[in-house]
Amino acid sequence: GQNIDQPTEMTATEGAIVQINCTYQTSGFNGLFWYQQHAGEAPTFLSYNVLDGLEEKGRFSSFLSRSKGYSYLLLKELQMKDSASYLCAVRLQGSTLTFGKGTMLLVSP
Amino acid sequence: GAGVSQSPSNKVTEKGKDVELRCDPISGHTALYWYRQSLGQGLEFLIYFQGNSAPDKSGLPSDRFSAERTGGSVSTLTIQRTQQEDSAVYLCASSLVARASEQYFGPGTRLTVT
Repeated sequence: GQNIDQPTEMTATEGAIVQINCTYQTSGFNGLFWYQQHAGEAPTFLSYNVLDGLEEKGRFSSFLSRSKGYSYLLLKELQMKDSASYLCAVRLQGSTLTFGKGTMLLVSP
Repeated sequence: GAGVSQSPSNKVTEKGKDVELRCDPISGHTALYWYRQSLGQGLEFLIYFQGNSAPDKSGLPSDRFSAERTGGSVSTLTIQRTQQEDSAVYLCASSLVARASEQYFGPGTRLTVT
Protein backbone atom coordinates (compact mmCIF):
# COMPACT_ATOMS: atom_id res chain seq x y z
CA GLY A 1 0.00 0.00 0.00
CA GLN A 2 0.86 3.65 -0.03
CA ASN A 3 2.43 5.17 3.07
CA ILE A 4 2.74 8.88 3.82
CA ASP A 5 4.06 9.85 7.25
CA GLN A 6 4.10 13.20 8.97
CA PRO A 7 4.15 14.18 12.65
CA THR A 8 0.77 14.37 14.33
CA GLU A 9 1.35 17.62 16.19
CA MET A 10 3.89 20.42 16.45
CA THR A 11 4.08 23.57 18.52
CA ALA A 12 6.00 26.75 17.84
CA THR A 13 6.19 30.34 18.95
CA GLU A 14 5.01 33.40 17.07
CA GLY A 15 7.83 34.83 14.95
CA ALA A 16 9.79 31.57 14.90
CA ILE A 17 10.54 29.16 12.06
CA VAL A 18 9.06 25.66 11.91
CA GLN A 19 9.78 22.72 9.60
CA ILE A 20 7.13 20.06 9.01
CA ASN A 21 8.51 16.85 7.57
CA CYS A 22 6.81 14.33 5.32
CA THR A 23 8.16 10.97 4.19
CA TYR A 24 6.50 8.75 1.64
CA GLN A 25 6.75 5.21 0.32
CA THR A 26 4.50 4.93 -2.70
CA SER A 27 4.25 2.75 -5.79
CA GLY A 28 4.62 5.80 -8.03
CA PHE A 29 5.31 9.48 -7.84
CA ASN A 30 4.05 12.34 -9.91
CA GLY A 31 4.37 15.31 -7.55
CA LEU A 32 4.05 16.25 -3.89
CA PHE A 33 1.62 18.81 -2.52
CA TRP A 34 1.15 20.69 0.71
CA TYR A 35 -2.26 21.96 1.81
CA GLN A 36 -3.29 24.04 4.81
CA GLN A 37 -6.55 23.29 6.59
CA HIS A 38 -7.97 25.46 9.35
CA ALA A 39 -10.40 23.76 11.72
CA GLY A 40 -13.80 23.31 10.11
CA GLU A 41 -12.65 24.70 6.78
CA ALA A 42 -11.64 23.33 3.39
CA PRO A 43 -7.99 22.55 2.62
CA THR A 44 -6.25 25.28 0.64
CA PHE A 45 -3.33 24.71 -1.71
CA LEU A 46 0.11 25.86 -0.48
CA SER A 47 2.78 24.34 -2.70
CA TYR A 48 3.69 21.76 -5.30
CA ASN A 49 7.04 20.04 -5.93
CA VAL A 50 7.73 17.60 -8.73
CA LEU A 51 11.50 18.10 -9.11
CA ASP A 52 14.13 17.95 -6.36
CA GLY A 53 14.90 21.19 -4.60
CA LEU A 54 13.35 24.09 -2.81
CA GLU A 55 10.31 26.06 -3.90
CA GLU A 56 9.85 29.37 -2.12
CA LYS A 57 6.61 31.31 -1.90
CA GLY A 58 6.63 34.17 0.55
CA ARG A 59 6.87 32.94 4.14
CA PHE A 60 6.37 29.34 3.01
CA SER A 61 8.92 27.09 1.31
CA SER A 62 8.71 23.44 0.34
CA PHE A 63 11.56 21.04 -0.33
CA LEU A 64 11.60 17.69 -2.12
CA SER A 65 14.11 14.85 -2.37
CA ARG A 66 12.69 12.10 -4.58
CA SER A 67 15.58 9.71 -3.93
CA LYS A 68 14.91 9.90 -0.19
CA GLY A 69 11.12 9.98 -0.44
CA TYR A 70 11.20 13.11 1.68
CA SER A 71 9.70 16.57 1.73
CA TYR A 72 9.38 19.38 4.20
CA LEU A 73 7.32 22.52 4.53
CA LEU A 74 9.13 25.47 6.08
CA LEU A 75 7.14 28.27 7.64
CA LYS A 76 8.99 31.47 8.56
CA GLU A 77 7.97 34.42 10.73
CA LEU A 78 5.14 32.40 12.22
CA GLN A 79 1.88 34.16 12.88
CA MET A 80 -1.01 33.10 15.08
CA LYS A 81 -3.14 32.56 11.97
CA ASP A 82 -0.71 29.84 10.85
CA SER A 83 -2.20 27.56 13.51
CA ALA A 84 -3.79 24.89 11.34
CA SER A 85 -3.39 21.37 10.05
CA TYR A 86 -0.82 20.91 7.27
CA LEU A 87 -1.49 18.09 4.84
CA CYS A 88 1.16 16.36 2.74
CA ALA A 89 -0.15 14.60 -0.38
CA VAL A 90 1.43 12.58 -3.18
CA ARG A 91 0.06 12.31 -6.71
CA LEU A 92 0.61 8.77 -7.89
CA GLN A 93 -0.92 8.84 -11.35
CA GLY A 94 -3.38 11.00 -13.18
CA SER A 95 -4.72 13.71 -10.94
CA THR A 96 -5.81 11.92 -7.77
CA LEU A 97 -3.95 12.61 -4.53
CA THR A 98 -3.04 10.35 -1.61
CA PHE A 99 -2.92 12.30 1.64
CA GLY A 100 -1.05 11.86 4.90
CA LYS A 101 -2.98 12.27 8.15
CA GLY A 102 -1.85 15.86 8.56
CA THR A 103 0.25 17.74 11.10
CA MET A 104 -1.59 19.97 13.56
CA LEU A 105 0.52 23.10 14.16
CA LEU A 106 -0.18 25.24 17.19
CA VAL A 107 1.43 28.69 17.24
CA SER A 108 1.58 30.30 20.66
CA PRO A 109 2.29 33.96 21.56
CA GLY B 1 -16.08 33.72 -9.54
CA ALA B 2 -17.46 31.50 -6.81
CA GLY B 3 -15.50 28.63 -5.38
CA VAL B 4 -16.56 25.01 -4.99
CA SER B 5 -19.85 24.76 -3.14
CA GLN B 6 -21.34 21.78 -1.36
CA SER B 7 -24.70 21.05 0.16
CA PRO B 8 -25.88 20.37 2.72
CA SER B 9 -23.19 21.62 5.09
CA ASN B 10 -24.41 19.20 7.76
CA LYS B 11 -26.49 16.06 7.49
CA VAL B 12 -27.69 13.84 10.29
CA THR B 13 -29.34 10.61 9.23
CA GLU B 14 -30.44 7.35 10.77
CA LYS B 15 -28.56 4.16 10.11
CA GLY B 16 -29.97 2.40 7.07
CA LYS B 17 -31.23 5.50 5.30
CA ASP B 18 -29.89 6.75 1.96
CA VAL B 19 -28.24 10.17 1.62
CA GLU B 20 -27.28 12.39 -1.28
CA LEU B 21 -24.49 14.93 -1.11
CA ARG B 22 -24.11 17.62 -3.75
CA CYS B 23 -21.06 19.34 -5.19
CA ASP B 24 -21.02 22.34 -7.51
CA PRO B 25 -17.48 22.77 -8.92
CA ILE B 26 -15.82 25.96 -10.09
CA SER B 27 -17.15 26.93 -13.50
CA GLY B 28 -14.90 25.65 -16.27
CA HIS B 29 -13.18 23.01 -14.14
CA THR B 30 -13.44 19.71 -15.93
CA ALA B 31 -11.98 17.52 -13.17
CA LEU B 32 -13.99 16.77 -10.02
CA TYR B 33 -12.94 14.72 -7.00
CA TRP B 34 -14.66 13.35 -3.92
CA TYR B 35 -12.72 12.71 -0.70
CA ARG B 36 -13.72 11.59 2.78
CA GLN B 37 -12.10 12.86 5.98
CA SER B 38 -12.74 10.87 9.14
CA LEU B 39 -11.69 11.97 12.61
CA GLY B 40 -7.96 11.39 13.04
CA GLN B 41 -7.55 10.17 9.48
CA GLY B 42 -6.17 11.76 6.36
CA LEU B 43 -8.25 12.65 3.36
CA GLU B 44 -9.32 9.46 1.62
CA PHE B 45 -9.86 9.55 -2.14
CA LEU B 46 -13.25 8.21 -3.23
CA ILE B 47 -13.91 8.96 -6.90
CA TYR B 48 -12.65 11.17 -9.73
CA PHE B 49 -14.41 12.52 -12.82
CA GLN B 50 -12.56 13.95 -15.80
CA GLY B 51 -14.63 15.41 -18.61
CA ASN B 52 -16.63 12.74 -20.40
CA SER B 53 -14.25 9.92 -19.50
CA ALA B 54 -15.34 7.01 -17.34
CA PRO B 55 -14.87 7.96 -13.68
CA ASP B 56 -12.09 6.50 -11.55
CA LYS B 57 -14.06 4.70 -8.85
CA SER B 58 -11.07 2.94 -7.30
CA GLY B 59 -11.47 4.67 -3.93
CA LEU B 60 -15.12 3.86 -3.25
CA PRO B 61 -15.18 1.76 -0.05
CA SER B 62 -18.19 -0.38 -0.93
CA ASP B 63 -20.98 -0.79 -3.46
CA ARG B 64 -23.22 1.30 -1.20
CA PHE B 65 -21.33 4.33 -2.50
CA SER B 66 -21.95 5.77 -5.95
CA ALA B 67 -21.55 9.11 -7.66
CA GLU B 68 -22.62 10.75 -10.84
CA ARG B 69 -21.78 13.95 -12.61
CA THR B 70 -24.48 15.37 -14.83
CA GLY B 71 -23.69 17.67 -17.73
CA GLY B 72 -20.04 17.73 -16.79
CA SER B 73 -20.73 20.05 -13.87
CA VAL B 74 -22.69 19.26 -10.70
CA SER B 75 -21.94 15.97 -8.97
CA THR B 76 -23.95 13.93 -6.50
CA LEU B 77 -22.45 11.38 -4.12
CA THR B 78 -25.01 8.84 -2.93
CA ILE B 79 -24.57 6.57 0.06
CA GLN B 80 -27.17 3.83 0.36
CA ARG B 81 -28.11 2.06 3.61
CA THR B 82 -25.82 4.30 5.65
CA GLN B 83 -23.74 2.81 8.45
CA GLN B 84 -22.23 4.54 11.47
CA GLU B 85 -18.74 4.14 10.01
CA ASP B 86 -19.85 6.36 7.12
CA SER B 87 -19.84 9.33 9.50
CA ALA B 88 -17.21 11.74 8.21
CA VAL B 89 -16.72 15.00 6.38
CA TYR B 90 -17.16 14.53 2.64
CA LEU B 91 -15.08 16.97 0.62
CA CYS B 92 -15.38 17.78 -3.04
CA ALA B 93 -12.61 19.39 -5.10
CA SER B 94 -12.26 20.53 -8.68
CA SER B 95 -9.38 21.45 -10.97
CA LEU B 96 -8.65 22.56 -14.49
CA VAL B 97 -7.24 19.80 -16.65
CA ALA B 98 -4.27 21.92 -17.61
CA ARG B 99 -3.51 22.81 -14.02
CA ALA B 100 -4.28 19.57 -12.31
CA SER B 101 -1.68 20.39 -9.69
CA GLU B 102 -4.09 22.64 -7.86
CA GLN B 103 -7.28 21.16 -6.54
CA TYR B 104 -9.72 23.63 -5.06
CA PHE B 105 -11.76 22.20 -2.21
CA GLY B 106 -15.29 22.92 -1.14
CA PRO B 107 -16.27 23.44 2.52
CA GLY B 108 -17.44 19.86 2.88
CA THR B 109 -20.55 18.10 4.14
CA ARG B 110 -20.38 16.75 7.66
CA LEU B 111 -22.36 13.50 7.71
CA THR B 112 -23.42 11.97 11.00
CA VAL B 113 -25.10 8.57 11.00
CA THR B 114 -26.93 7.81 14.24
